[in-house]
Amino acid sequence: ETGVTQTPRHLVMGMTNKKSLKCEQHLGHNAMYWYKQSAKKPLELMFVYNFKEQTENNSVPSRFSPECPNSSHLFLHLHTLQPEDSALYLCASSSNPSGGPFTDTQYFGPGTRLTVL
Amino acid sequence: AQKVTQAQTEISVVEKEDVTLDCVYETRDTTYYLFWYKQPPSGELVFLIRRNSFDEQNEISGRYSWNFQKSTSSFNFTITASQVVDSAVYFCALSIIGDGGSNYKLTFGKGTLLTVNP
Repeated sequence: ETGVTQTPRHLVMGMTNKKSLKCEQHLGHNAMYWYKQSAKKPLELMFVYNFKEQTENNSVPSRFSPECPNSSHLFLHLHTLQPEDSALYLCASSSNPSGGPFTDTQYFGPGTRLTVL
Repeated sequence: AQKVTQAQTEISVVEKEDVTLDCVYETRDTTYYLFWYKQPPSGELVFLIRRNSFDEQNEISGRYSWNFQKSTSSFNFTITASQVVDSAVYFCALSIIGDGGSNYKLTFGKGTLLTVNP
């Protein structure tokens, strides 16, 4: 099932480059998430968007800039990254019943493997 | 604060063996969800199951079964007659059900790497 897609799947960039990661969900969900998965570390929640509004920024450095133009698309703009930012970046989405807490299951995309040289 | 512990970092079995992946969780909340996700080498986290804290019934889905015991705060996952395609990292996770706006937060364990050898 390809309910959540991410592009590119692999990205190599220098520290001075600017690039963007894209996530698209085809599940009719209205909440979207960015996670970072580094080697030997638990998954880290970075950002959360609910109905296009950012509801969570988990102390993420400003060199990561999210954008959510609509409920189906989520971007992560990258600039002046550091080698320690190399990781797998996962996007997820879930439904959010209007007016209620959004506890529904999160469905993940395949991730973008980012390498910063 | 919530915590999920997967004490088994790596497990290696031979095909057709049964294998159990352990998950122990900590939370002061009385209502929560527990999850298992599978992450094959391709990277995608595949949702396997969600369990409500009110429902302690064990669940079976094909070769997969889950044993939820609130008394020991455990939510273990058993694969029966393992296959090479089961090789992956398996994550246990917890989220709190409540009235607040942060119920989406998943607390993940560190994962267990399962290798099934032919």
